[in-house]
Amino acid sequence: DTAVSQTPKYLVTQMGNDKSIKCEQNLGHDTMYWYKQDSKKFLKIMFSYNNKELIINETVPNRFSPKSPDKAHLNLHINSLELGDSAVYFCASSPGLAGGRRTGELFFGEGSRLTVL
Amino acid sequence: GQNIDQPTEMTATEGAIVQINCTYQTSGFNGLFWYQQHAGEAPTFLSYNVLDGLEEKGRFSSFLSRSKGYSYLLLKELQMKDSASYLCAVRGINQAGTALIFGKGTTLSVSS
Repeated sequence: DTAVSQTPKYLVTQMGNDKSIKCEQNLGHDTMYWYKQDSKKFLKIMFSYNNKELIINETVPNRFSPKSPDKAHLNLHINSLELGDSAVYFCASSPGLAGGRRTGELFFGEGSRLTVL
Repeated sequence: GQNIDQPTEMTATEGAIVQINCTYQTSGFNGLFWYQQHAGEAPTFLSYNVLDGLEEKGRFSSFLSRSKGYSYLLLKELQMKDSASYLCAVRGINQAGTALIFGKGTTLSVSS
């Protein structure tokens, strides 16, 4: 009963291909995120959705398109993959802003390691 | 803009105490978090400060000074398993909503 689960965990593909990463959370959280962690381990916010609505889009190329069919799922589709897209992509979720001392704490999935050849 | 600084690497020996500093400049402030990340794993939550002062949780403590834009994570009685990256993160009050903005992490190596 993993709280935040992502698939696939590993993805190796050629430049120019299109790929998707799926994420699901069973914590009942309102907000979900995609973070990218590069080879230097820097964890950078890409997108955030709150109740299926996009609230953050941090200067990410439009080759990246998130989709949230419901508040428990946030998928990431990447078109025309480039070498620089190689990274670990982490999905995360958090409860809403209202109430709770630890509001804003992120719960991370195990990550999806994408390698573009 | 937002800027979060922490040392890149630190080393320490088993049983020692280590302090990892973090300074931040952000658009608004609504909490500072510390996460631990072992190699090849997801970050896991360690601590949260929103008011000035020290929060203690077992061997780990975190301190915050909002006026100075400064926090530290204190690890006592170091163990080999504490070798990991420690990420300082801030939640602002702006269009970023509830997202945490992370520093580049401090890699701590604990030796025997």
